[in-house]
Amino acid sequence: ERVMTQSPATLSVSPGDRATLSCRASQSVSSNLAWYQQKPGQAPRLLIYGASTRATGIPARFSGSGSGTEFTLTISSLQSEDFAVYYCQQYDTRPGTFGQGTKLEIK
Amino acid sequence: EVQLLESGGGLVQPGGSLRLSCAASGFTFSNYAMSWVRQAPGKGLEWVSAISGSGGSTYYADSVKGRFTISRDNSKNTLYLQMNSLRAEDTAVYYCAKGYYTSSSLSWFDPWGQGSLVTVSS
Repeated sequence: ERVMTQSPATLSVSPGDRATLSCRASQSVSSNLAWYQQKPGQAPRLLIYGASTRATGIPARFSGSGSGTEFTLTISSLQSEDFAVYYCQQYDTRPGTFGQGTKLEIK
Repeated sequence: EVQLLESGGGLVQPGGSLRLSCAASGFTFSNYAMSWVRQAPGKGLEWVSAISGSGGSTYYADSVKGRFTISRDNSKNTLYLQMNSLRAEDTAVYYCAKGYYTSSSLSWFDPWGQGSLVTVSS
C-alpha cells in the first residue's frame, strides 16, 4: 500500500499570501495524484488531478506540481474561502490512498 | 448538473447491518465506476470500496473485505453499500463518489455526495 504523507499538518498563512502544501508518496505514483479541498461539514471537492491539471471551475490561483514521490499544491494568493483542509490522493496502485490532510488556517 | 445523494445512514448496534444508497443524476451512470469513501469523526479520508460501471468488478479495502458488499442498479441509477457485522470503528460519514473511468477503480473522484453518517454504538 502506498502511504501518502502530507506536510505540514497545519499551515498558518495571511490572506493574500502564497501557501505551499506538500505530499510525499512512499513509492512512486507517477503523476496519478489528486488534490481535494474540504470545508467543515462539506464533502471534499476536487481541485487537481494528474498532479497538475485543474478540475473544472477551479480558480487559476490553485496549481499542482510534481511527479513520482514528491508533490506540491500551491495557492498563489489566498482568499478567505481557501481556508480549509486539503488532502492528496494517489490513484496509481490499489488501494487508492489519501494523505492525512493539511489544515490551512488564517494567520 | 451531476448530483449524488446518499441515504440510509443511522445508528446501529455493533454486529448489526445497514444498507446505504446513493442516487445519481446528471450523467450516464453505467459509464462510470463508483466508489465509497468514509471519514471517521475528526479524521481523514479512507477509500472503502469501488465498482465498475457494469457492476462486474468490485474492489474492497482490507478493513471491510468480507463484511461490506458494493453493488449498483444501473436501471435505477443507484449505488449501494451493504454493511454487515458492523464495528465501532466503522463509525464515519460515508461518501459516494464518481470515478473518471468506466472499469478501473483507480481514479480521482468528482463529484462527491453530501455524505451519510453511520454510527455504530450500543
